[in-house]
Amino acid sequence: SAVISQKPSRDICQRGTSLTIQCQVDSQVTMMFWYRQQPGQSLTLIATANQGSEATYESGFVIDKFPISRPNLTFSTLTVSNMSPEDSSIYLCSVGAGQVQETQYFGPGTRLLVL
Amino acid sequence: GENVEQHPSTLSVQEGDSAVIKCTYSDSASNYFPWYKQELGKRPQLIIDIRSNVGEKKDQRIAVTLNKTAKHFSLHITETQPEDSAVYFCAATLPGTYKYIFGTGTRLKVLA
Repeated sequence: SAVISQKPSRDICQRGTSLTIQCQVDSQVTMMFWYRQQPGQSLTLIATANQGSEATYESGFVIDKFPISRPNLTFSTLTVSNMSPEDSSIYLCSVGAGQVQETQYFGPGTRLLVL
Repeated sequence: GENVEQHPSTLSVQEGDSAVIKCTYSDSASNYFPWYKQELGKRPQLIIDIRSNVGEKKDQRIAVTLNKTAKHFSLHITETQPEDSAVYFCAATLPGTYKYIFGTGTRLKVLA
């Protein structure tokens, strides 16, 4: 499976600021996703990061709050904008792999605390 | 849209016993069902998956069964060991979407 890294691994931020999280894969992948995992909760899909076009956002998530870039097939960024304490979560990227790319492998996550 | 329910939310078993976690999905078109194990502070790791054209799949002490008629699938862990202690998530995906809908998770504790 692909080797996936994320930066930063953790951060503490002040409310009202923005943080950009990077996701790097060691091979080209078509499907790349961003998830949020709130403390003690399950994973919720934020958006699908599309190479060369705008990301596809899930219900409840908007581009102004979570802008996503996907400049090539090995890299994506997620920005958490104008942060509030409710944004404190783990943010994970994942990539699709397998025969029809239905299997997802996750990055190590970015632990964000907003004060 | 698709919805996935997972039970139980917590499960404690004695070492060596079996553990069973069940998930129910709502959309009969769902065709791929992975299971992930997440240890504390770690990323979710795929442990087994099953496609809708298969009723059961086994990998050593882990098995998954799928009942398409009832729209539920289950994870079975036999001969549990302390290192099986973790949170387990099921997921379902619709064909062509590649998007996962996750269950709420089961915290498994294996008591030595």
